Amino acid sequence: AQSVTQLGSHVSVSEGALVLLRCNYSSSVPPYLFWYVQYPNQGLQLLLKYTSAATLVKGINGFEAEFKKSETSFHLTKPSAHMSDAAEYFCAVTHQNTDKLIFGTGTRLQVFP
Amino acid sequence: GAGVSQSPSNKVTEKGKDVELRCDPISGHTALYWYRQSLGQGLEFLIYFQGNSAPDKSGLPSDRFSAERTGGSVSTLTIQRTQQEDSAVYLCASSKYDPGLAGDEQYFGPGTRLTVT
Repeated sequence: AQSVTQLGSHVSVSEGALVLLRCNYSSSVPPYLFWYVQYPNQGLQLLLKYTSAATLVKGINGFEAEFKKSETSFHLTKPSAHMSDAAEYFCAVTHQNTDKLIFGTGTRLQVFP
Repeated sequence: GAGVSQSPSNKVTEKGKDVELRCDPISGHTALYWYRQSLGQGLEFLIYFQGNSAPDKSGLPSDRFSAERTGGSVSTLTIQRTQQEDSAVYLCASSKYDPGLAGDEQYFGPGTRLTVT
């Protein structure tokens, strides 16, 4: 069975500070990992995905994530937070032999001026 | 191009009534998914369609929930005899290929917010 754990349901940072959102996964087969962002009253938008190519993945809006198999982690980072980054972020896992995304519980990011 | 669209965007219904939620996937996408997002349960998978077939209905919470897809395009999620615990945002997503293709991205619609009073 696959699962995803997002540590920290809420994260607050100052504008310009580093953003770090944590995601750990559990999977008995090689995983595909995703980060989605959800703005208020909107659907989910893909930020980036890992599909067994490069372990450092760059996404939209300056976000990136690094797949670390030894730590079963796929943390999302951004060097400098923007006010517009305030949203909810979801980590998700799937694999080649399944048909659904398993989501974490989400992390709400607040950015203070 | 056009993304995934869902209607209605909001639905308020009385307990015991039936509701239908509609999803229009991106044109040409063969795979379609329904998820439910609620405060207590987070984002949960409900059902997956490949074309008009539903090989995985494992997430449907009860037999009050059903879904169909016609013409390999539009899908309808029906909830019969709604209960208050059905209140949630219902999200639809579509992807271009079979899920077996490595990490194919799912594109999400804006969701339908269902409130059962």
